[in-house]
Amino acid sequence: QSMLTQPPSASGTPGQTVTISCSGSSSNIGHDKDVFWYQQLPGSAPKLLIYRNKQRPSGVPDRFSGSKSGATASLVISGLRSEDEADYSCASWDDSLSGVVFGGGTKLTVL
Amino acid sequence: EVQLVQSGAEVKKPGESLRISCKSSGYTFTNYWLSWVRQMPGKGLEWMGRIDPSDSYTNYSPSFQGHVTISVDKSINTAYLQWSSLKASDTAIFYCARHDLATRPFDYWGQGTLVTVSS
Repeated sequence: QSMLTQPPSASGTPGQTVTISCSGSSSNIGHDKDVFWYQQLPGSAPKLLIYRNKQRPSGVPDRFSGSKSGATASLVISGLRSEDEADYSCASWDDSLSGVVFGGGTKLTVL
Repeated sequence: EVQLVQSGAEVKKPGESLRISCKSSGYTFTNYWLSWVRQMPGKGLEWMGRIDPSDSYTNYSPSFQGHVTISVDKSINTAYLQWSSLKASDTAIFYCARHDLATRPFDYWGQGTLVTVSS
């Protein structure tokens, strides 16, 4: 059912920078809809990581940043740490669905 | 502090009914939409539907329309997700989540409710 497209996996070594993409369409990201990013640790609920494309909630390290251009959004994690190993999902409002669409999730492995 | 606290895990048989809950605190309940999100074992997040607690207006994903019902009780700041006849394929974790603003995704999530449907 995913209407946003993410790579299923990504990896990096400690200290590296990793970028996760999220591609949408003209009914969601490409229609000027905000993108939110969530981090989900194993066995836990999703946690808000980035909201409104690039805003960080308090408590989220500035190693995490978000951007959007056209119908694609990106999550950048710099200075990778072992505790960053988790699933990352993007989400946006979709006008055709009149609801929220998610990406399929990207499993980040810290080697 | 905004909190969404969900009811506990459930084990049900196919054909049984079920209602799970999500109690909100720390904000004005009627000012923010709430949604339910499904996560099947080992899979991604799927939006099921949302409710506006101020007037109980709902809309559902076509994938879930007719199979679940979302409701609220404003007097106790609680949202519900219910099934009238469960299937084994309903086995999943269900999260309630508060919308940041109308037509935006979520800023707060409940801890999740595991529903297991097995004969």
